[in-house]
Amino acid sequence: AAGVIQSPRHLIKEKRETATLKCYPIPRHDTVYWYQQGPGQDPQFLISFYEKMQSDKGSIPDRFSAQQFSDYHSELNMSSLELGDSALYFCASSSGERFGELFFGEGSRLTVL
Amino acid sequence: DQQVKQNSPSLSVQEGRISILNCDYTNSMFDYFLWYKKYPAEGPTFLISISSIKDKNEDGRFTVFLNKSAKHLSLHIVPSQPGDSAVYFCAATGGNSGYALNFGKGTSLLVTP
Repeated sequence: AAGVIQSPRHLIKEKRETATLKCYPIPRHDTVYWYQQGPGQDPQFLISFYEKMQSDKGSIPDRFSAQQFSDYHSELNMSSLELGDSALYFCASSSGERFGELFFGEGSRLTVL
Repeated sequence: DQQVKQNSPSLSVQEGRISILNCDYTNSMFDYFLWYKKYPAEGPTFLISISSIKDKNEDGRFTVFLNKSAKHLSLHIVPSQPGDSAVYFCAATGGNSGYALNFGKGTSLLVTP
């Protein structure tokens, strides 16, 4: 079965650069979530979209923005990157069939030098 | 602030024995709790969940217990198998967190033969 696809899997950027992460949810899933997991930390909720509209907002910095497109894929845009942005970024999707059950992608590892 | 806490970063259990992973939460508005399992280089995968109206939910070798008065839940795995070796994340949702999941930092379980 198709899973959540994230790209790129690895990304290296320098401070003050920008980065864009992409997420392709499981077909027919209507909700997409973005999480950030720093080294040794818990996954922190950033933002979510339901039917292409922002539904919940967590600890997403103002330097970050995200959107969900008409084909349901989502992009997380990060600008003015800082060293502390180095983390694993997970995208997850859900259909709402079972409450709280999110299907996660393998993550995109961002390293800021 | 960390609303979901997993105070044991690691746990080692012998194959065939019971593994007990613990989780505490601080937000009394949480009403749905989940456990996710994560292997290296993969995203978390849903394992089992429990609603606050129940105190136990069982699925095969996995049982989750919820003690609302103590704001504590635990995951029991019996019998433990080497393939269960992974990081287990406790998550909670509800109240003003919307549908977003609040994760603990995870407990790394090692099941030895």
